[in-house]
Amino acid sequence: DQQVKQNSPSLSVQEGRISILNCDYTNSMFDYFLWYKKYPAEGPTFLISISSIKDKNEDGRFTVFLNKSAKHLSLHIVPSQPGDSAVYFCAASYPGGSQGNLIFGKGTKLSVKP
Amino acid sequence: DAGITQSPRHKVTETGTPVTLRCHQTENHRYMYWYRQDPGHGLRLIHYSYGVKDTDKGEVSDGYSVSRSKTEDFLLTLESATSSQTSVYFCAIRQGVGETQYFGPGTRLLVL
Repeated sequence: DQQVKQNSPSLSVQEGRISILNCDYTNSMFDYFLWYKKYPAEGPTFLISISSIKDKNEDGRFTVFLNKSAKHLSLHIVPSQPGDSAVYFCAASYPGGSQGNLIFGKGTKLSVKP
Repeated sequence: DAGITQSPRHKVTETGTPVTLRCHQTENHRYMYWYRQDPGHGLRLIHYSYGVKDTDKGEVSDGYSVSRSKTEDFLLTLESATSSQTSVYFCAIRQGVGETQYFGPGTRLLVL
């Protein structure tokens, strides 16, 4: 049973516009959430994270929003650039979870068109 | 850059042969992880280590074993490779705030 779900396998956005990637989770014990970006033939790269005590975290063009009551988080990229085209994974962990293991969603492929 | 290297980067092997993948880190991180990535499945944890000689199973550990005799090396072994183990394998370390993990470049394994 999937605990972290990314229901959109793909997303296409025009350059300069906002990209919104969504992630839902089922385990209310999760207290730390992360987003990773992955280019083909490379390892995932850490992008941004958020603790459950916050509802927003911002880093440059990237903002993550957390809605605990809805068990939903989203990643906003503004403005989107062609170099943002990649697969994005959200991940979650919980206190007391086995040694900080992360549970990953299946990923969303973002295409930013010039 | 978390100082992680993986070897080999690419490998083709035959069903039934043993295969060992190596993850090497240079920054003395205590926690190390092995994941596999498959289309439609995202990243799934195979095994992890929380110190020298301290390892435990992840979500998809069947058919895999690991060893960590030194802090810097975490080995993943497929005792008898099967075609279902064709995948891309990523090693990760944990550092810094919270549960952030940093990944190596991956090993692409093809089992014929």
